[in-house]
Amino acid sequence: RKEVEQDPGPFNVPEGATVAFNCTYSNSASQSFFWYRQDCRKEPKLLMSVYSSGNEDGRFTAQLNRASQYISLLIRDSKLSDSATYLCVVNNYGQNFVFGPGTRLSVLP
Amino acid sequence: EAGVAQSPRYKIIEKRQSVAFWCNPISGHATLYWYQQILGQGPKLLIQFQNNGVVDDSQLPKDRFSAERLKGVDSTLKIQPAKLEDSAVYLCASSFKGLIETQYFGPGTRLLVL
Repeated sequence: RKEVEQDPGPFNVPEGATVAFNCTYSNSASQSFFWYRQDCRKEPKLLMSVYSSGNEDGRFTAQLNRASQYISLLIRDSKLSDSATYLCVVNNYGQNFVFGPGTRLSVLP
Repeated sequence: EAGVAQSPRYKIIEKRQSVAFWCNPISGHATLYWYQQILGQGPKLLIQFQNNGVVDDSQLPKDRFSAERLKGVDSTLKIQPAKLEDSAVYLCASSFKGLIETQYFGPGTRLLVL
């Protein structure tokens, strides 16, 4: 089993839709969790950290379920500019970051 | 604040040739990472430095890849000799050691091995 798994998609959604991505991780000792966004032919950029209590940043909501070892990202009111690949990242404190394969989102007009 | 700098941005070589990539992290960032990202996949860590020491190089193909960070600032990654399967984007990232680490990525070097 891969350490971090994501549905590769693509998710094709209309503008204004709500879309959710899940990510599962295998190492129960993982401590830090992040969502990164990567535009086509660009470098990954931090979208948001994921906290145990869940966190929200505008239209984006991230949740962590340690018992089931998954992380989710919810995007409300999708914009064309949200089209990108969303990478789930897991880190054991002091150790390396492990990236998932990414989920590709296309928001259609 | 200046970001992570990488050069060259693009490189085309033939198999069995050698190539080197350079990275300058954000000032003050002690941790530096080199990743390989093959098309359609997430970045895979090759090597992680803390200052000028190696923290993790377990996924670095040491028979052909080498990396150094001699003065704890900029770093070079070398491939010698290159294989077709080394065609990828090589991303450098840096982070400031803290309770919650976030990484800042450079623009990457796109390598094509023919």
